[in-house]
Amino acid sequence: EIVMTQSPATLSVSPGERATLSCRASQSISSNLAWYQHKPGQAPRLLIYGASTRATDIPARFSGSGSGTEFTLTISSLQSEDFAVYYCQHYNNWPPWTFGQGTKVEIK
Amino acid sequence: EVQVVDSGGGLVQPGRSLRVSCVASGLKFGEDTMHWVRHSPGKGLEWVASISWNSGYIAYAESVKGRFTISRDNAKNSVYLQMSSLTPDDSAFYYCTHGLRGYSAVFDYWGQGTLVTVSS
Repeated sequence: EIVMTQSPATLSVSPGERATLSCRASQSISSNLAWYQHKPGQAPRLLIYGASTRATDIPARFSGSGSGTEFTLTISSLQSEDFAVYYCQHYNNWPPWTFGQGTKVEIK
Repeated sequence: EVQVVDSGGGLVQPGRSLRVSCVASGLKFGEDTMHWVRHSPGKGLEWVASISWNSGYIAYAESVKGRFTISRDNAKNSVYLQMSSLTPDDSAFYYCTHGLRGYSAVFDYWGQGTLVTVSS
């Protein structure tokens, strides 16, 4: 099973600032990585797949990068609606499709 | 507009069974892989099960294998998760999700979730 590890667990950021979230895979997953945003009481929302492709209707301030085992999600200028928990997930080859433990982005 | 609606959750005693369901619209449902993913506060997101468009490929997380069964009815645009021998560790919001076309294990559309609580 591929283990996904996210850091930091919590990120305190002021509105308008840049946020950088990290995700590491326990073995190479090429670019088979997705990012999701999850707010309390709502369903998770797909942000990024293929490590760097934005999903439909996702604002350009969200960007993804990386390949192999190291990945980054960057939110260039945090808006109030961006405070949430973010998860990475691999979809390399075969299941189990595992998620990271999440990074909570909170208001500083 | 795509809609995925989950239902069937509730309070159930340990060792008992429960079936959760979802209905999807606005998708080419019969052509795509569907999944169940669950979320509990202490554990984050966990993939549970997947079923291909024709039910020819089915996969389960190790934690539910042998206890849960995923199925689908394309005529009703519906997916089901039959859960048996439930334990408190199975308590979670259960989300039905759609696999992105061309990337079947990327979850692009999600239901609102249905809460399953396993407790005596």
